[in-house]
Amino acid sequence: EVLLVQSGAEVKKPGESLKISCQGSGFNFATYWIGWVRQMPGKELEWMGVIWPGDSDVIYGPSFKGHVTMSADQSANTVFLQWSSVQPSDSGTYYCVRPRRESCSGTSCYNLDTWGQGTLVSVSS
Amino acid sequence: SVLTQPPSASGTPGQMVTLSCFGASGIVGGPLVDWYQQLPGAAPKLVIYNNHQRPSGVPDRFSGFRSGPTVSLRIDGLQSEDEGLYFCAAWDDRPPKSYVFGPGTTVTVL
Repeated sequence: EVLLVQSGAEVKKPGESLKISCQGSGFNFATYWIGWVRQMPGKELEWMGVIWPGDSDVIYGPSFKGHVTMSADQSANTVFLQWSSVQPSDSGTYYCVRPRRESCSGTSCYNLDTWGQGTLVSVSS
Repeated sequence: SVLTQPPSASGTPGQMVTLSCFGASGIVGGPLVDWYQQLPGAAPKLVIYNNHQRPSGVPDRFSGFRSGPTVSLRIDGLQSEDEGLYFCAAWDDRPPKSYVFGPGTTVTVL
């Protein structure tokens, strides 16, 4: 079974650092782009970007470039999403996603056919 | 949002419901549209990709159509377990390039 399992909920204060994770299983992790999608409390979805675990090549969504860092540990089939200083506006649920192999390249990405269970991030003073 | 969707739709069990997604024709670079279902308390799930393709395991009650500028998701034989949020999405190749989601339509089974 293809699975993406994410780390647990986080409660942070503004200015703190944060790193959440997503571990894949049931598929060849080295041959897929893996991405992140944010869902704010108002329920709209936002594409944050994707990473190629093999060489850590990253395509960031325009709203997130410079604000978050995606990284990967291919040997552990795990990708990470990191903030150096979280803000209340970063509160939301973050989903790890896997696009279909043939639908993601260095220039476009769609068909998100596998989703993690979500990681709830709450930032408040 | 580049893509727009009506905020709500409803039907009784057994009815057909059609959800629309507007704006995909304005997206440059092959406006293939995906549809996601999000049931209460769950992660979204891909139910239609590339306008009309159905992933393995998705009931054939779900079908996707494109007619000119409008893309639609049809649910035949509506069931109580279909109640939830439905998002359309597509790759927008115009700068800044991104995968964009519609705001979602809430489906209520009466």
